[in-house]
Amino acid sequence: KAGVTQTPRYLIKTRGQQVTLSCSPISGHRSVSWYQQTPGQGLQFLFEYFSETQRNKGNFPGRFSGRQFSNSRSEMNVSTLELGDSALYLCASSLGATGTNTGELFFGEGSRLTVL
Amino acid sequence: TQLLEQSPQFLSIQEGENLTVYCNSSSVFSSLQWYRQEPGEGPVLLVTVVTGGEVKKLKRLTFQFGDARKDSSLHITAAQPGDTGLYLCAGVGRSGYALNFGKGTSLLVTP
Repeated sequence: KAGVTQTPRYLIKTRGQQVTLSCSPISGHRSVSWYQQTPGQGLQFLFEYFSETQRNKGNFPGRFSGRQFSNSRSEMNVSTLELGDSALYLCASSLGATGTNTGELFFGEGSRLTVL
Repeated sequence: TQLLEQSPQFLSIQEGENLTVYCNSSSVFSSLQWYRQEPGEGPVLLVTVVTGGEVKKLKRLTFQFGDARKDSSLHITAAQPGDTGLYLCAGVGRSGYALNFGKGTSLLVTP
């Protein structure tokens, strides 16, 4: 059974640019969550999508957005990049929405974004 | 605000030693998970605890959920270099939304 796939694995952008990250969940999983991981803050919740609907959103500015498609694949977008957006962005999928099945997540390897 | 506080932040020990890492919160969690993350990879689920006072064992790893469901501990017996990694605890709050993570304990086990 294929795991969670994230693309691209690495990317470098400059301030002011925008970036789109992609996540393909485990087959059959309908929930996709996104996290930002930095050495100082650890894993910070960005948002969760379930059946194409944003179910919950973390405390991030509106520059961070996402969506989920009918095949459960998800994308997240960061516009007007800032230096502080440099981080590992992790996508995780689960069979059901968080809280309905003890919230067990299966993570991808992440997309490492560097903003110069 | 970080709901889950993990300690210690860093731990460096020699192979064969025992260790305990802690995950504490002022909030009650309906369930709590422990994950391990190795460099260049995403976190991998180790265990989920649901009931207050619950103890689960996974080979040399023992997980305990506090009676009040506000804290948890992970004890590793006879640590091995393969145990090296970032150990993260995560909990789903009473609202049932979003899995919140602690900042993790970075463990290094040297031969």
